[in-house]
Amino acid sequence: NAGVTQTPKFRILKIGQSMTLQCTQDMNHNYMYWYRQDPGMGLKLIYYSVGAGITDKGEVPNGYNVSRSTTEDFPLRLELAAPSQTSVYFCASSYTQTNTIYFGEGSWLTVV
Amino acid sequence: AQRVTQPEKLLSVFKGAPVELKCNYSYSGSPELFWYVQYSRQRLQLLLRHISRESIKGFTADLNKGETSFHLKKPFAQEEDSAMYYCALGGSQGNLIFGKGTKLSVKP
Repeated sequence: NAGVTQTPKFRILKIGQSMTLQCTQDMNHNYMYWYRQDPGMGLKLIYYSVGAGITDKGEVPNGYNVSRSTTEDFPLRLELAAPSQTSVYFCASSYTQTNTIYFGEGSWLTVV
Repeated sequence: AQRVTQPEKLLSVFKGAPVELKCNYSYSGSPELFWYVQYSRQRLQLLLRHISRESIKGFTADLNKGETSFHLKKPFAQEEDSAMYYCALGGSQGNLIFGKGTKLSVKP
């Protein structure tokens, strides 16, 4: 009953450091998403993927990169961390464009 | 522009009182609307979607295209309903466009 799994749950980064947020789903979903949620704000789409080998930018892609080499995994890379990237990150997946989206538990990232 | 507006950041009601969480949207075309809920220390999960016209945990939401609204209602609030509620619009990219959320607090 894993669903969407994200790691790590909490991370503190120094300015300029790099890291990868891991996301995996075991529901054989085609669509995967990365959202960020800033305090008092709604979720904003960073990147999404409609299938293995295909990724596209969302609303706020700057400072991030993604890859989708398998159906299951959709890692999010931060190359040069900045304080503006302090946020809660949610990975999500769905079978098709119109199906229910399932979320991971979130990853709390602080850049200092 | 595709947009979701939830005008209330916080809504506080007493147990047994009716509750209505407001949601307005902006979308040219036929919208697909959802309510997601996040209970304390849990992940976001789907509460209901307008096309299914279900009642989940006593909550209902009616799409009003004339007023571009999708308000969430429950006649008698329970303490376990306390949570963050997000209205979401199915975007043209297949993603969800979220409102900022409303925190519902149900007091005993």
